[in-house]
Amino acid sequence: DTGVSQDPRHKITKRGQNVTFRCDPISEHNRLYWYRQTLGQGPEFLTYFQNEAQLEKSRLLSDRFSAERPKGSFSTLEIQRTEQGDSAMYLCASTQGSAYEQYFGPGTRLTVT
Amino acid sequence: AQRVTQPEKLLSVFKGAPVELKCNYSYSGSPELFWYVQYSRQRLQLLLRHISRESIKGFTADLNKGETSFHLKKPFAQEEDSAMYYCALFTQGGSEKLVFGKGTKLTVNP
Repeated sequence: DTGVSQDPRHKITKRGQNVTFRCDPISEHNRLYWYRQTLGQGPEFLTYFQNEAQLEKSRLLSDRFSAERPKGSFSTLEIQRTEQGDSAMYLCASTQGSAYEQYFGPGTRLTVT
Repeated sequence: AQRVTQPEKLLSVFKGAPVELKCNYSYSGSPELFWYVQYSRQRLQLLLRHISRESIKGFTADLNKGETSFHLKKPFAQEEDSAMYYCALFTQGGSEKLVFGKGTKLTVNP
């Protein structure tokens, strides 16, 4: 296990298209987080899962965003009808329980044209 | 409100000089604070957390609850310390997540 992985690393899409990102956490970690980072900002929390249960969603997560973690392993984040304001780096992190150290993936950079 | 403030967007020092990256927080609960670092073309990684009170790569940070601060310090900066540094607060009590500051870009000049 080489750490948290994310796919794709880069995505360019046209406004109005749907996109889906995948995150594979460290295998024994039961918590998985999604963050979004825009230029000049720190990562901002979007949502998190404990096993397959989605425990919290940020107000940043509009109805166009949906996240799943169907079997408590990998997770997907889908954005429907993308807008230019969705352009950002989407980061995934995992951790064991509520242990504080979160291990981050390399991120998926989304560009909406 | 939960907030982390890093007042310096950019910080430039010379090799061998002391460095201090400032972080202030606002949180009604008992704070759990961290410093994360991102080197060029690498992923975000934990540098240190206040509960462990350890020194990593020569960096230390002390939680000052009276001043609500968690400044990161190193007595002698090295060129390899050049990176983006983020202070983060872990919130608890039903909403368990990291709240990040905007980050400080540290450049250590030769």
